[in-house]
Amino acid sequence: DSGVTQTPKHLITATGQRVTLRCSPRSGDLSVYWYQQSLDQGLQFLIQYYNGEERAKGNILERFSAQQFPDLHSELNLSSLELGDSALYFCASSAQGLLHFGNGTRLTVT
Amino acid sequence: AQSVAQPEDQVNVAEGNPLTVKCTYSVSGNPYLFWYVQYPNRGLQFLLKYITGDNLVKGSYGFEAEFNKSQTSFHLKKPSALVSDSALYFCAVRDINFGNEKLTFGTGTRLTIIP
Repeated sequence: DSGVTQTPKHLITATGQRVTLRCSPRSGDLSVYWYQQSLDQGLQFLIQYYNGEERAKGNILERFSAQQFPDLHSELNLSSLELGDSALYFCASSAQGLLHFGNGTRLTVT
Repeated sequence: AQSVAQPEDQVNVAEGNPLTVKCTYSVSGNPYLFWYVQYPNRGLQFLLKYITGDNLVKGSYGFEAEFNKSQTSFHLKKPSALVSDSALYFCAVRDINFGNEKLTFGTGTRLTIIP
């Protein structure tokens, strides 16, 4: 168990809808990273937060947004969903140069 | 930009044989390199890392990796494969910016160990 918790495990929704994915980092970790894993594009970095502030941005669509709250948990919001957004979304937190990953949220857009 | 490449999408090895999963890197400066493994319906698990020092790095579950600067490679190896080693393996390189531990991953190699 990595200590990183992601909810929900599975999410099925329709095109055009909006969903929120939640991540609780390991106790004491200040950084949270979001990654998207799809069949055709591998593991893509989306965004990083450090202690509530955005630290780095990757290939994140404008329809997606994230935030990190004072208790350090993070949420990834995906809106105007398209079929191509179906993927596994991972959250990771870091300590001493290592990323620790949650088990992911599998999003299916129908 | 930092990047890693995994030239093989799929590697099949007979149980008991040695295995190698290949990774090459492209970085400016000294590389910080990692291997992660992903089992079905699970997140990525850390196997080993190279930061500096000995070119042969030992990690979890009997895996090791050899850092080769002249060939810009960081291949993952194990002397004797187990069926339970079947999984998806990712090589990764760390961002060089201070305070940022973001990893850039390769496309992954699916390792299948044949009984």
